[in-house]
Amino acid sequence: NAGVTQTPKFRVLKTGQSMTLLCAQDMNHEYMYWYRQDPGMGLRLIHYSVGEGTTAKGEVPDGYNVSRLKKQNFLLGLESAAPSQTSVYFCASGRTMTGYEQYFGPGTRLTVT
Amino acid sequence: QQQVKQSPQSLIVQKGGISIINCAYENTAFDYFPWYQQFPGKGPALLIAIRPDVSEKKEGRFTISFNKSAKQFSLHIMDSQPGDSATYFCAATGGFKTIFGAGTRLFVKA
Repeated sequence: NAGVTQTPKFRVLKTGQSMTLLCAQDMNHEYMYWYRQDPGMGLRLIHYSVGEGTTAKGEVPDGYNVSRLKKQNFLLGLESAAPSQTSVYFCASGRTMTGYEQYFGPGTRLTVT
Repeated sequence: QQQVKQSPQSLIVQKGGISIINCAYENTAFDYFPWYQQFPGKGPALLIAIRPDVSEKKEGRFTISFNKSAKQFSLHIMDSQPGDSATYFCAATGGFKTIFGAGTRLFVKA
């Protein structure tokens, strides 16, 4: 099992450009999450999904959109990138409703210039 | 805004010593309090977790102590090893959401 995979690993964008980050999991988990990690701020939840076809806003959703068309995939989109979105993005998945055990991908380091 | 406050930001411990990381939370509507370990260039990985009706949980060299009345919990790493050098995040989980602390960077000197 590959677990949770993320593509790409690194990306540099110019302000105003758009991109999509792809997350895939092969553990048949219902719940999937997108976080951003910034120095001194831990991980903050951007959006999450409780099943195929569902999405919900997290703590810092502004500037991002998500889609969960297939159970195994969770996409994070930036329509018009801003320097404030420079961060490391982590996708995670979980199998239980309580959500405490999450399995994280390796991360995508995004720089917006 | 729900918060989980974690301290210290960084910690240096001698090999064989005890590493202690503390966290405090504000909201009582949490179901679990997990700790995650993250190595450079990797995603966080679950280390150990505790429910709020338990005061202590031990797994190998790792122990969580939980004080419900004080809304505080801590991670103790006994006999710390250089391989434990990583960033540790405490967290609080309620429903579908997990709130993470800011992280503690631990360095264990050989």
